[in-house]
Amino acid sequence: EDQVTQSPEALRLQEGESSSLNCSYTVSGLRGLFWYRQDPGKGPEFLFTLYSAGEEKEKERLKATLTKKESFLHITAPKPEDSATYLCAVQVLSNFGNEKLTFGTGTRLTIIP
Amino acid sequence: DAGITQSPRYKITETGRQVTLMCHQTWSHSYMFWYRQDLGHGLRLIYYSAAADITDKGEVPDGYVVSRSKTENFPLTLESATRSQTSVYFCASSEHDRWQLNSGNTIYFGEGSWLTVV
Repeated sequence: EDQVTQSPEALRLQEGESSSLNCSYTVSGLRGLFWYRQDPGKGPEFLFTLYSAGEEKEKERLKATLTKKESFLHITAPKPEDSATYLCAVQVLSNFGNEKLTFGTGTRLTIIP
Repeated sequence: DAGITQSPRYKITETGRQVTLMCHQTWSHSYMFWYRQDLGHGLRLIYYSAAADITDKGEVPDGYVVSRSKTENFPLTLESATRSQTSVYFCASSEHDRWQLNSGNTIYFGEGSWLTVV
């Protein structure tokens, strides 16, 4: 069974204090690993897709990296507007073109001014 | 560009009633999904559809029915609502590119429907 585990569940940082969020996964065959941001009362908003170990992607203060067992979302010098829940999800290889995502439970990030 | 729209956004219903949540997408994406989000469980897949008239069960399908007569619409029906179905429901869609690895079949989400069953 495909599993996705995110840690920590919640993280409070001072503005400007860099840190990383972790997503570890156990899947039969990884097609892609996705990061989403979710604000309260909103749907998940797509951030990144990573496909192979060693791959990195950046967007503003966020950088996502991927290994064979986990992914990290690094946040550099965060601002209060980066406060949100960050969701990790995996898409697995399938002979039937199954596109579904399996999600972790998320990390709730709070940036204190 | 409207993307994905869900309706109603908020609904309170009674146990045993039938409820239908609507989902409409303007991108002509072939794949559509229904997820529910609950504290401690994250997002769990209820049903998905690869194309019009093709649907399949996800992780938590019991008590739900879906249909997809048109590519752009994917309604979710709770046949007889129970308190355990109180949740936030998200509809999502993606393009189908089965043979393209590393191509990014990104799934895009709607704003959610908050359902309370009393």
